[in-house]
Amino acid sequence: DAGVIQSPRHEVTEMGQEVTLRCKPISGHNSLFWYRQTMMRGLELLIYFNNNVPIDDSGMPEDRFSAKMPNASFSTLKIQPSEPRDSAVYFCASSLQFTIHFGQGTRLTVV
Amino acid sequence: EDQVTQSPEALRLQEGESSSLNCSYTVSGLRGLFWYRQDPGKGPEFLFTLYSAGEEKEKERLKATLTKKESFLHITAPKPEDSATYLCAVTGTASKLTFGTGTRLQVTL
Repeated sequence: DAGVIQSPRHEVTEMGQEVTLRCKPISGHNSLFWYRQTMMRGLELLIYFNNNVPIDDSGMPEDRFSAKMPNASFSTLKIQPSEPRDSAVYFCASSLQFTIHFGQGTRLTVV
Repeated sequence: EDQVTQSPEALRLQEGESSSLNCSYTVSGLRGLFWYRQDPGKGPEFLFTLYSAGEEKEKERLKATLTKKESFLHITAPKPEDSATYLCAVTGTASKLTFGTGTRLQVTL
């Protein structure tokens, strides 16, 4: 089992640019989560999907953020336009029942 | 709204010095309480799930316990490799996992 796979691991971009983060969940898992981690706020849930359908996106900061899950094995989180305050580590996670397994994260830096 | 509070924020122990980390929670309809370990630059790694008050789980030097209001992660005779941030999280009827801000544990020789 390869675990949850995220790409890229690191991303540095200029303010105003579009950023796309990618995630491949564990095969067979039916729920997928996007989290953001910062020193100030810890781990925050942005959005989660169940069976590829977005269930709760109340954590998405604003309209600049969007997430898609076109099939059971792929999801994206897009930020357009990016801002310096979006700098954080973004984690994708997946689960079958209660236990959520995390990827290694994407460290995003917006300059 | 579900809430999780962890204490202390940071803990420094000498090798072999046992201690406990605390996780206090409020949740509507607890479905599970989770402990994770996070090393620098990595994603949280699952340790335990506890489902009901009175439940206990053990793994090597770690033991997690649960009451109706809090959970403890007991670390017995820790080693330097136990140094990490330990995260507590709960899920309730809202089916969302809410995390605490973690306890940074450093174990020195």
